[in-house]
Amino acid sequence: TQLLEQSPQFLSIQEGENLTVYCNSSSVFSSLQWYRQEPGEGPVLLVTVVTGGEVKKLKRLTFQFGDARKDSSLHITAAQPGDTGLYLCAGEKADSWGKLQFGAGTQVVVTP
Amino acid sequence: GAGVSQSPSNKVTEKGKDVELRCDPISGHTALYWYRQSLGQGLEFLIYFQGNSAPDKSGLPSDRFSAERTGGSVSTLTIQRTQQEDSAVYLCASSDWTANLEGYTFGSGTRLTVV
Repeated sequence: TQLLEQSPQFLSIQEGENLTVYCNSSSVFSSLQWYRQEPGEGPVLLVTVVTGGEVKKLKRLTFQFGDARKDSSLHITAAQPGDTGLYLCAGEKADSWGKLQFGAGTQVVVTP
Repeated sequence: GAGVSQSPSNKVTEKGKDVELRCDPISGHTALYWYRQSLGQGLEFLIYFQGNSAPDKSGLPSDRFSAERTGGSVSTLTIQRTQQEDSAVYLCASSDWTANLEGYTFGSGTRLTVV
């Protein structure tokens, strides 16, 4: 059983459409990170959120941390083919400093 | 080096053989992590080294798995008597003390196939 549940597992959209990926848990996290992974490579950090209710924007990507610090979402506006990849959320619990728990990931495919 | 280096990138081994996977972290990073990624399963934590502290081995799936980190730098993950269920991508990452904000830097992984 995953500590962090991501949904959907797979998302296929056309270029220019918007999408949202969710990351949910029953546990509280001191921080939560989002990574993107491309085939044959390791995950690359996109953002870290640490404060409940926090919203961070990275160009067309918007990340939100839930008020209770148990869930997060990633929203992509006007998706482009370069956004294709596996999106992973990862949380750090206060009693496990330095050790990240990962969700199973959401595979996003953006077609031209 | 500029990034985390892992070797080999691919390894095919026969069931029952031992394998060693190597990780060369970013110079100066005090923390080193091993994760395993199976298809559709996300990243599974294996082991965590932080400075000179005793490693956190709580994620190792069996006593066939072991890891060491020599001189606070290079790490080797050893799997003895490999089984088919050990087939996966083994990812190494390193970080400094700001990992909770700056995140991990991952290597490209070693794809292990046990036949």
